[in-house]
Amino acid sequence: EIVLTQSPGTLSLFPGERATLSCRASQSVSSSYLAWYQQKPGQAPRLLIYGASSRATGIPDRFSGSGSGTDFTLTISRLEPEDFAVYYCQQFGSSLLTFGGGTKVEIK
Amino acid sequence: QVTLKESGPVLVKPTETLTLTCTVSGFSLSNGRMGVSWIRQPPGKALEWLAHIFSNDEKSYSTSLKSRLTISKDTSKSQVVLSMTNMDPVDTATYYCARIGQYRYYMDVWGKGTTVTVSS
Repeated sequence: EIVLTQSPGTLSLFPGERATLSCRASQSVSSSYLAWYQQKPGQAPRLLIYGASSRATGIPDRFSGSGSGTDFTLTISRLEPEDFAVYYCQQFGSSLLTFGGGTKVEIK
Repeated sequence: QVTLKESGPVLVKPTETLTLTCTVSGFSLSNGRMGVSWIRQPPGKALEWLAHIFSNDEKSYSTSLKSRLTISKDTSKSQVVLSMTNMDPVDTATYYCARIGQYRYYMDVWGKGTTVTVSS
């Protein structure tokens, strides 16, 4: 089973700053099967990025995904107030899905 | 419009079997290479994938919970059912169902979730 490790656990930033979130896999992941989700308190997760770099419908272009192999990154170019939330990466491999432990982006 | 809605008991006792139902609309469970995943989230913790089932009846289960889980679908009712046996307080969580694409393996539409507490 592939383990996803997200870092940092918490990211404290000001609105307008750039956020860089990391997702590292214990073994190589197909880029086609790497996704990112945003979750706000009391809400279900929302799909942001699929296929490592494709934005889901309605997702602003300040969100971008990159990476390959075992290292993937979610970048938020300029944080808006509504972007402060928890972010999860997710992968599929060998018929199994796994999620990372999440990164909380909080207002500094 | 694609929607999913979870339903089931709010409270179950230890050792009981939990049965959750996901009722979907806006897509087919019998064709179209789509399916439904179940994911749970204990209070204050991360997401955990449990199982998924596709329109061709292909199923997959979390390795750690495989012995306790059964997923099935009733296409006539547009429902997917997840059963989890031998419930324990550590299974207390919000349980979500979400649409998943076969050969794409990401969840693009989620239900709002249902909270299940395991307590005697």
